[in-house]
Amino acid sequence: EDQVTQSPEALRLQEGESSSLNCSYTVSGLRGLFWYRQDPGKGPEFLFTLYSAGEEKEKERLKATLTKKESFLHITAPKPEDSATYLCAVQAGGYSTLTFGKGTMLLVSP
Amino acid sequence: DTGVSQDPRHKITKRGQNVTFRCDPISEHNRLYWYRQTLGQGPEFLTYFQNEAQLEKSRLLSDRFSAERPKGSFSTLEIQRTEQGDSAMYLCASSGRDNYGYTFGSGTRLTVV
Repeated sequence: EDQVTQSPEALRLQEGESSSLNCSYTVSGLRGLFWYRQDPGKGPEFLFTLYSAGEEKEKERLKATLTKKESFLHITAPKPEDSATYLCAVQAGGYSTLTFGKGTMLLVSP
Repeated sequence: DTGVSQDPRHKITKRGQNVTFRCDPISEHNRLYWYRQTLGQGPEFLTYFQNEAQLEKSRLLSDRFSAERPKGSFSTLEIQRTEQGDSAMYLCASSGRDNYGYTFGSGTRLTVV
């Protein structure tokens, strides 16, 4: 059974204080690893897809990396508007559906 | 904006009543998914359509739940004889033939009282 574990559950940062979120996964034949951002009361917003170990992708202050067992979402010099829940999900080979972790709730204080 | 639309945004119903939600995917997307999310949890897969065919259903999906996607366009999710445990956010997502990067709708928040 595919499993996704995200840590920490919650993270509070000061504006400008860089940090990383972790996503550990167990999947039979990884097809893709996805990062989403979710604001309260809204649906998840797509950020990145990573397909193979060693791959990295960046978007503004966010950088996602992937190894064979985990993925990191690095947040550089965060701003209050980066406050949200960040969800990680995996897609197994041969399947279209995603298995999500519980998310990391990020709060960035000014 | 031609994103994924869900209706209604909020639904309050009494236990035992039936409810139906609608999802309009991005027009060129042939894959449509329903997920359920409760507070503090990630989205949980319910069912998946490719065009009008329902290809996969979660084994956690009760017989009280049914979904349709007539003509491969919009989809409906019906919950019969609602229970308090059905209270959750119901999310719809769609994806294209490349199958990557689902686009989610804003969800329907169901409260069963």
